[in-house]
Amino acid sequence: GAVVSQHPSWVICKSGTSVKIECRSLDFQATTMFWYRQFPKQSLMLMATSNEGSKATYEQGVEKDKFLINHASLTLSTLTVTSAHPEDSSFYICSARGSSNTGELFFGEGSRLTVL
Amino acid sequence: AQSVTQPDIHITVSEGASLELRCNYSYGATPYLFWYVQSPGQGLQLLLKYFSGDTLVQGIKGFEAEFKRSQSSFNLRKPSVHWSDAAEYFCAVGALGSNTGKLIFGQGTTLQVKP
Repeated sequence: GAVVSQHPSWVICKSGTSVKIECRSLDFQATTMFWYRQFPKQSLMLMATSNEGSKATYEQGVEKDKFLINHASLTLSTLTVTSAHPEDSSFYICSARGSSNTGELFFGEGSRLTVL
Repeated sequence: AQSVTQPDIHITVSEGASLELRCNYSYGATPYLFWYVQSPGQGLQLLLKYFSGDTLVQGIKGFEAEFKRSQSSFNLRKPSVHWSDAAEYFCAVGALGSNTGKLIFGQGTTLQVKP
């Protein structure tokens, strides 16, 4: 089956620094990737849709200048949390949609960000 | 507005007992429905999905779900629960086309399995 990998799986950083999370589709090309945020004991909230070669589409209420998304290739999307603060601490999950129009998403393992 | 509701936040069942997790949705178009499972600190694994056709769909790990349009429901079932099924379960609804993959998730149901 299709595999999506995230890196790092966990990261701890100081307040004010920036953190980059990578999402890779390992065995297929992903024209579209999605970034979700999950708070403890809560559901996944879609943050943005990342399309290869174009600007990401952000959901309402998500600060695009704070959560920079880049989808430079068909196998890699990155999420950069800029000037991170403790309230940005969360579990970030990416998913990828392959070229077939089946609607199925393949999820990464998630990346846990802790901002001190 | 589009939404997914999982009425049960937490369910505890005994190992070997049957299980049903409820999911209700509100969606303007024909919905495409999914159930995902998440173990602690992990990503999501697809259990099953419904796009069209037979309203009773079979998934992995012995799970099945039934789409009932009249009730706007897509409940997940398993005849006999195993201890390894303890996890968080999410129902999600989405659409094909330009918004494919833009899933709306329910709040999740935590399943605890008693020995």
